[in-house]
Amino acid sequence: DIQMTQSPSSLSASVGDTVTITCRASQDISSWLAWYQQKPEKAPKSLIYTASSLQSGVPSRFSGSGFGTEFTLTIRSLQPEDFATYYCQQYSNYPRTFGGGTKVEIK
Amino acid sequence: EVQLVESGGGLVQPGGSLRLSCAASGFTFNNHWMNWVRQAPGKGLEWVANIKYDGTEKYFVDSVKGRFTVSRDNAKNSLYLQMNSLRDEDTAVYYCARDSSTNNWPHYFDYWGQGTLVTVSS
Repeated sequence: DIQMTQSPSSLSASVGDTVTITCRASQDISSWLAWYQQKPEKAPKSLIYTASSLQSGVPSRFSGSGFGTEFTLTIRSLQPEDFATYYCQQYSNYPRTFGGGTKVEIK
Repeated sequence: EVQLVESGGGLVQPGGSLRLSCAASGFTFNNHWMNWVRQAPGKGLEWVANIKYDGTEKYFVDSVKGRFTVSRDNAKNSLYLQMNSLRDEDTAVYYCARDSSTNNWPHYFDYWGQGTLVTVSS
């Protein structure tokens, strides 16, 4: 199985900050990576696919980059509604696997 | 508007069975792969299974192989997860998720249902 490792597991930030979350794959997944946002007691929501493509309706302050084994999710000018947990997920191989999540909290 | 509504969750004893359903609307159901993803209380996300748009291919995470089956009824726009020989570690919220793919290779999950809670306990 492909292991997805996210870092950090949690972070504290202020409104207006820029936040970067890293996701590393245990083997090459090309660009087959997605990012999701999950708020407490809610279903996950798609943000980014194929590593850097923005899902329709997602604000442009969210961006993704990377290829192969190293990927990043960047949130510029953090807004109050962005405080949530973020997950990466590879869809290169079976089983589909997720990172452990990064909780973005208010400082 | 894409809508996915899961049902069928509940409390079941270890070794028991449960069938989850997902009613889809707002899109052409028989064009898309579909997935089940679960989340144990306080834990991260775990992909469970998927099924091709025509039901001819199905894939499962190892921990549920031989115990869970996935099926779909395209005439009813519905997805199902039959869970047998349930274990404590199957306790989770189960989400139905639409795959973005309409071809032979599934991709990422672009829409999710609200989830249904399955609790396995004696």
